[in-house]
Amino acid sequence: AQSVTQLDSHVSVSEGTPVLLRCNYSSSYSPSLFWYVQHPNKGLQLLLKYTSAATLVKGINGFEAEFKKSETSFHLTKPSAHMSDAAEYFCGTGSARQLTFGSGTQLTVLP
Amino acid sequence: GAGVSQSPRYKVAKRGQDVALRCDPISGHVSLFWYQQALGQGPEFLTYFQNEAQLDKSGLPSDRFFAERPEGSVSTLKIQRTQQEDSAVYLCASSAHQIYEQYFGPGTRLTVT
Repeated sequence: AQSVTQLDSHVSVSEGTPVLLRCNYSSSYSPSLFWYVQHPNKGLQLLLKYTSAATLVKGINGFEAEFKKSETSFHLTKPSAHMSDAAEYFCGTGSARQLTFGSGTQLTVLP
Repeated sequence: GAGVSQSPRYKVAKRGQDVALRCDPISGHVSLFWYQQALGQGPEFLTYFQNEAQLDKSGLPSDRFFAERPEGSVSTLKIQRTQQEDSAVYLCASSAHQIYEQYFGPGTRLTVT
């Protein structure tokens, strides 16, 4: 079975500094991985997904994630945080019929 | 264009009542998913439809939960004899082709008192 673990429940950064949200996966074969973002009172939005093509995946709003098989990781990064990035972020994995989400990381951006 | 809509946005039910939650997916989206999100947790899969066919209901927590999509568009999630542990946000999502690119509605927050 595939699963993910989000290593931090809360991350706080200052505006303009880099963002790192950590996610490790567990899978017996090459997984399909994604990151979604959830702003308050809004639906989840897909940021990016990895499906065994390029290991560095670029998403929307300047986010990117790197698939590292040796570390079983799929961390989400952004070079410079913006106030509008404050939200909850979910890492996850998918099979043919369902997505499995991690427990989420709440990102706070300080002015 | 219109996204996924869900109604009601908030529902308070007394324990033992039945509730029905509605999802209007994006027009033309073949696949529809229901998730349950408890406070402070990630969404958990409940069930999946392809058109009107319910292809996976492995996530439904008990036989009190029932979902349908009779004409392959609007879907209803019904919970019978609600219990306090059913309190959660129920999310609906639809997708055109790729399972990973799901479009989520804002959710229905169910509180069972």
